[in-house]
Formats: sequence, C-alpha cells, structure tokens
Amino acid sequence: GAVVSQHPSWVICKSGTSVKIECRSLDFQATTMFWYRQFPKQSLMLMATSNEGSKATYEQGVEKDKFLINHASLTLSTLTVTSAHPEDSSFYICSARGSAMRTNEKLFFGSGTQLSVL
Amino acid sequence: LAKTTQPISMDSYEGQEVNITCSHNNIATNDYITWYQQFPSQGPRFIIQGYKTKVTNEVASLFIPADRKSSTLSLPRVSLSDTAVYYCLVGVGPLGNNRLAFGKGNQVVVIP
Repeated sequence: GAVVSQHPSWVICKSGTSVKIECRSLDFQATTMFWYRQFPKQSLMLMATSNEGSKATYEQGVEKDKFLINHASLTLSTLTVTSAHPEDSSFYICSARGSAMRTNEKLFFGSGTQLSVL
Repeated sequence: LAKTTQPISMDSYEGQEVNITCSHNNIATNDYITWYQQFPSQGPRFIIQGYKTKVTNEVASLFIPADRKSSTLSLPRVSLSDTAVYYCLVGVGPLGNNRLAFGKGNQVVVIP
C-alpha cells in the first residue's frame, strides 16, 4: 500500500515551453506533498512543501513563479516548470505524506521525472 | 530543521556487514529517523524507521543511542544489488515537522 505515482517518467522539451509533472497518491490521502530536484551525483534538494488546499511553501532560492505547484486535491499535486531553460534540466521527485496512521509516519516517493530542456 | 551529516562514500565486499552512521545533533523530540535507499534515476525507497534504541526488519537494523543525536544503519551481508545511495532523514513521524530536507547521503559500492 501507500503508492505514489509520478508522470511522466521523462520529458524532453524546447527552451521556453512549460512542462507539467503530476504526482498522485493512489491508495491514501496525501495531506502534504513535497517536491525535490536532484542533479547528477547530488542529494535531493527540497524545493517546496504543499498542503492540500493551501499555497505551497517554497524553500529559499526557489522561484515560485518559475515552479508552480498546485495541490488542489488530496490525491494530486502538480509541478509546472514555466518557460523552461536548459538549466532547469534535472531529476524531479515528489513525495507524499498522509494524515492517517501508517501514512503519516513516513514519506512515500514517486519514481521521479527526468526533465531535459533543449 | 534537523540537519544530517553522513560520510560520502564507502566500498564493501559482498557478504560483509555495512554500517553507515548519520549525525543529527539538533533532532527534535517529535522527530523520527528514517533511512532511504536510492538507485540512479529512481525515487528513494524506504528501508527502516525508528525513534530510539534498536529497530530491525527483514532488510536492515537501525541503532539509535539514548541521546538520539546520531543513528547507524546496519545492512547485514550485502550483495551487489545493495549498491546505492543511502540517506537518513530526520523529522518524519506522526508529529514530525514538514520541512523534510535530505543530507548528502552515502554512496555504498558493493564489490564482488
């Protein structure tokens, strides 16, 4: 149980376009979702935390107008990279946490999205 | 925000026990300690979680001293498939905080 599905697994786009990444909790209600990005051979960097129905809280240095996060339901959060540029190329990972017992004890991760901006 | 510190990399032979220690000096009372495993181009996978003393499951053991300022993940008899990056994460738990940031992680390479 406690499965998080992330799509797409990889995406290639042209510079200047926008890309949307979806993160779904399949069998539990995710009251909180986290978005991370990861560069090669580096750790996961927390970008933002979102609670269902509220605005996301962004980490210092992460542009909220660049990385739009929507968490409108208890099972879906989206990250939109707006006007993507080559420096936005990275591995993006979502994770979710529920409020009920068992699901509030740990983070459940999606499989990640590799974004390549040409 | 509980900052974590781990050694960067370590090599081990197949069949050996691997121990990885994580320092978390400013851990809060409500924080649990969770360890994750990550393979390249995949999301982290849960290994084990604990609050104090010792926890054991089918894949690992977790040792947490009384002051909880560090924790040690123990992988018994590693195999080649255990080659991965291992992260400790502090703060998850029923009353844990919501700024869940990872440390640098530890690259474990298992050698035949």
